Amino acid sequence: DQQVKQNSPSLSVQEGRISILNCDYTNSMFDYFLWYKKYPAEGPTFLISISSIKDKNEDGRFTVFLNKSAKHLSLHIVPSQPGDSAVYFCAASGLHRGSTLGRLYFGRGTQLTVWP
Amino acid sequence: NAGVTQTPKFRVLKTGQSMTLLCAQDMNHEYMYWYRQDPGMGLRLIHYSVGEGTTAKGEVPDGYNVSRLKKQNFLLGLESAAPSQTSVYFCASSYTRDRGAYGYTFGSGTRLTVV
Repeated sequence: DQQVKQNSPSLSVQEGRISILNCDYTNSMFDYFLWYKKYPAEGPTFLISISSIKDKNEDGRFTVFLNKSAKHLSLHIVPSQPGDSAVYFCAASGLHRGSTLGRLYFGRGTQLTVWP
Repeated sequence: NAGVTQTPKFRVLKTGQSMTLLCAQDMNHEYMYWYRQDPGMGLRLIHYSVGEGTTAKGEVPDGYNVSRLKKQNFLLGLESAAPSQTSVYFCASSYTRDRGAYGYTFGSGTRLTVV
């Protein structure tokens, strides 16, 4: 059973507008969340992360919001650019029993397309 | 700054053939992982290693074996390839405790087709 879920396989946004990518998780022991970006024919690359002690982390055009009570996080990209077109993976980790220290659990990804 | 290097980048195998995928990292990371990516399935963990000489099973280990004889290398083996193993394989590495800041560093992937 997937512990990290990205329910939208794709998202299409016009350049300059906001992109909002969503992620839900089921394991309340997760305490660190990350977003990865993946271009075709390349490996995923780290984008931004957030600790469970925070509810927001910002890095330039990218902001991640965490709602622990809802077990939900979102990635906001403002303004969106054509170069942001990629697959975005949500990931989570936690120091809980049965979990490999540092192991990440990934969602299935959301394909973001930013059109001019 | 090579990071994580995977070889080969592409390979076509016939059913029943064997092969080994090589992953090498130069960041002195303790942990290494092998994932496969399939359409609509995201990244699924095959095997992982928490240090030299140790390996463990992930979510989808059947049909694969791994070895970590040296800290910098993590090998993924397919003893008898099956069409269901057609996929893109990614290797990743991480520090034991630095999971939060940067998570994993991924290689660029190996695209394997089994016919």
